[in-house]
Amino acid sequence: DIVMTQTPLSSPVTLGQPASISCRSSQSLVNSDGNTYLSWLQQRPGQPPRLLIYKISNRFSGVPDRFSGSGAGTDFTLKISRVEAEDVGIYYCLQTTQFPWTFGQGTKVEIK
Amino acid sequence: EVQLVESGGGLVQPGGSLRLSCAASGFTFSRSWMHWVRQAPGKGLVWVSHINNDGSGATYADSVRGRFTISRDNAKSTLYLQMNSLRAEDTAVYYCVRDWFGEYVWGQGTTVTVSS
Repeated sequence: DIVMTQTPLSSPVTLGQPASISCRSSQSLVNSDGNTYLSWLQQRPGQPPRLLIYKISNRFSGVPDRFSGSGAGTDFTLKISRVEAEDVGIYYCLQTTQFPWTFGQGTKVEIK
Repeated sequence: EVQLVESGGGLVQPGGSLRLSCAASGFTFSRSWMHWVRQAPGKGLVWVSHINNDGSGATYADSVRGRFTISRDNAKSTLYLQMNSLRAEDTAVYYCVRDWFGEYVWGQGTTVTVSS
């Protein structure tokens, strides 16, 4: 199975300041079709997960443009340009290049 | 708008069975792969199973293979998860997920509690 490792596991951020989360996979996520199936999910307290970013850098419908994704191969990053109060929650990276799907441990974003 | 509504969760004794359902709307269900993902209380997300669009192929996590069966009824736009021989460690919120070429939409989840 592909192991997904996120850092940091906790990220206290000041409102209006940027935040960054890293995700590393134990092997390349490049699929045989040429796509890299690395996604980022947000889970607000008491809510189901919600897709933010898919295929490394594509924002899902309705996702604010302060969220951006980047990376390649085995190293990926989610950035929030200016954290807002509604961004509090746990963020997960997810690889769907091969079965079984595997998730990072989650990064808790909270306001300082 | 894509909507996924899970149901069928509840309290069951160890060794018991439960069938979860996920009613889909707002998209062509028969064209989408579907998945179940679970989250134990206070824990992270764990993929459980997937089924392809016509139901001819399915995969399972090692932890549930042989005990859980995923299926779908495209005429009813509904996904199922039959769970047998349930264990305490199966206690979790179960989410169904629509898979459309790397774009994933999640339902609200249904809670399964396995306890005597």
